[in-house]
Amino acid sequence: GDSVTQTEGQVALSEEDFLTIHCNYSASGYPTLFWYVQYPGEGPQLLFRASRDKEKGSSRGFEATYDKGTTSFHLRKASVQESDSAVYYCALRRTDTGYQNFYFGKGTSLTVIP
Amino acid sequence: EAAVTQSPRSKVAVTGGKVTLSCHQTNNHDYMYWYRQDTGHGLRLIHYSYVADSTEKGDIPDGYKASRPSQENFSLILELASLSQTAVYFCASKGQTNTGQLYFGEGSKLTVL
Repeated sequence: GDSVTQTEGQVALSEEDFLTIHCNYSASGYPTLFWYVQYPGEGPQLLFRASRDKEKGSSRGFEATYDKGTTSFHLRKASVQESDSAVYYCALRRTDTGYQNFYFGKGTSLTVIP
Repeated sequence: EAAVTQSPRSKVAVTGGKVTLSCHQTNNHDYMYWYRQDTGHGLRLIHYSYVADSTEKGDIPDGYKASRPSQENFSLILELASLSQTAVYFCASKGQTNTGQLYFGEGSKLTVL
């Protein structure tokens, strides 16, 4: 079945550091890929999505490029701020159990130290 | 603005007791979902629904039931709560458009003692 792997469980950075959170997926065809962000005490919210090879999604200074060759959708930000502290989830729209379901990675908790 | 509200936001239950978590959406969305969040496991799908009066099993349905009495409401039911069901539960809704965006509620923290 479809799956998503996030390599980093926790990341701690200082303000203005460069961020990379790795996301690799396994699915047939071209699943739509997502990054969601969850701030403390809130539900996850969409950061951005991409649905075809080489498409770049971006929002709030974060970006990721859909790469079918390496089955990756890594999240990057050039200069993180304390307000970026949150949990980040990579997700895909499943192709194995119907197109209305989603598979989430295990999440990466980002802490930015001022 | 899409709105999904969950109740209760926090609950303490005893082992073997019955727990009902409720979700209400005002988005006019057809699709609704219940996810469980655990550290190290992320978000896992318990049950979902495409239409009122119909529910489907997700990836981890054991020990949970779901009910969708109307388009707006979707409940998660734990008939016999167990310690292992201590977690944060999120409800989400999605419309028919191809954007695929899920709209989440704020979560219900369940502690089973």
